[in-house]
Order: sequence, then C-alpha cells, then structure tokens
Amino acid sequence: AQRVTQPEKLLSVFKGAPVELKCNYSYSGSPELFWYVQYSRQRLQLLLRHISRESIKGFTADLNKGETSFHLKKPFAQEEDSAMYYCALSGIIQGAQKLVFGQGTRLTINP
Amino acid sequence: GAGVSQSPRYKVAKRGQDVALRCDPISGHVSLFWYQQALGQGPEFLTYFQNEAQLDKSGLPSDRFFAERPEGSVSTLKIQRTQQEDSAVYLCASSITINTEAFFGQGTRLTVV
Repeated sequence: AQRVTQPEKLLSVFKGAPVELKCNYSYSGSPELFWYVQYSRQRLQLLLRHISRESIKGFTADLNKGETSFHLKKPFAQEEDSAMYYCALSGIIQGAQKLVFGQGTRLTINP
Repeated sequence: GAGVSQSPRYKVAKRGQDVALRCDPISGHVSLFWYQQALGQGPEFLTYFQNEAQLDKSGLPSDRFFAERPEGSVSTLKIQRTQQEDSAVYLCASSITINTEAFFGQGTRLTVV
C-alpha cells in the first residue's frame, strides 16, 4: 500500500544543532514529495517540494529513491523552527490521484 | 482575502445532528481537497474535486459523509447524524492543479457531544 511514514512523533534539539526529520514512503512509481509545516496557531503551509530542489528557511530535502526517503534537514536549528512538520506524497493511489500525509513530527527547538 | 476560507471555525453538534462545513477555495483553483485531522494525527484524505467533478471519494469514512462542489468553486462537506468519532478538525485545501502547492484553510473544529 502507498503510504508516508514519519517515525518520530516528537523531536527536540538545541538551538544551533543540526536537525533531521525523517520521512519514508512506499509508492510504486515516481511520486511528488512535499514537506508542509504548521506553526503555532497558523494554517498548514508548504515548506518545500522535491521537484524544486531549493532551500527554504535553511531547510533542504533530498529524494532518495533507493531508500525511498525524503528526509528534511537543516544544519543549524533556530527557535522559530519549532512547529509541526508533515511529509506528503502526491501520486496515483488506489487508481486515483491523491495527496497523502504522514502522521507528522513535532519539532521543538530548545534555547 | 486571497486565501482558502473555511466556515465555521468551530462547531459543536449534538450527537445525531446534521452539520455542513463550507470551504471557499482560492479563485481559479481547479483542485479541491477535504481532509480529516484527528487530535495528534496527520491529515487523512477524505475526497478530491477537479472543478465540479468529485474524482475521488474513497476516503469518506461512511455514507453519512457527503461532499459537493456544484459550480466548481465553493465546496460543502456535510455530515449526517454526527457521531462522537466524527470529532476532528476538517481541513480544506485548493491548488491550481493536483501536483502543485496545496493551500490550506484554517480548518473547522467539529466537536460532537
């Protein structure tokens, strides 16, 4: 079955430390992969997508088809990075195009 | 505003009551999605519209759930005979096409008592 797995529900790091939020996917084909973020009291919003291969707010994510992973990384965490992060996949699932989300990882950056 | 708008923001319903949740997508967006987000969980796909056509409703949990987008713009998610397990945040998102960035509304928090 096609799915998105984020193994860590909670992740806590100190300011200035490197951050890696893990995302693994299961999909038979070439998916579109995204990271969405939800800051406190704000709506869910796109952080980055693999196809654009860009760095947003210092975050990058590389699609590794061999490991079926799309981990989100930032070399030096900042307090304003504290938020919920969701990995998402867009593709043909059960015969129809869908955008499906992982369970999310709550990232807390400690001062 | 130019973003996705959902109303009401909060809804308390007595068990057995029918509710209707509204979504105003961004003008010109072809794709519209509804998601259900339970506490501590990620958004779970409910249904997808391309213009007025409901192309996928495989995520609707029961036949008590019904969604429509009759003119390809505003969408309504209706839940009949609400149950306690329907309590969740219902998110609406729209995008230019299925593979472009999805813009989310603030959600409607439904509490069934």
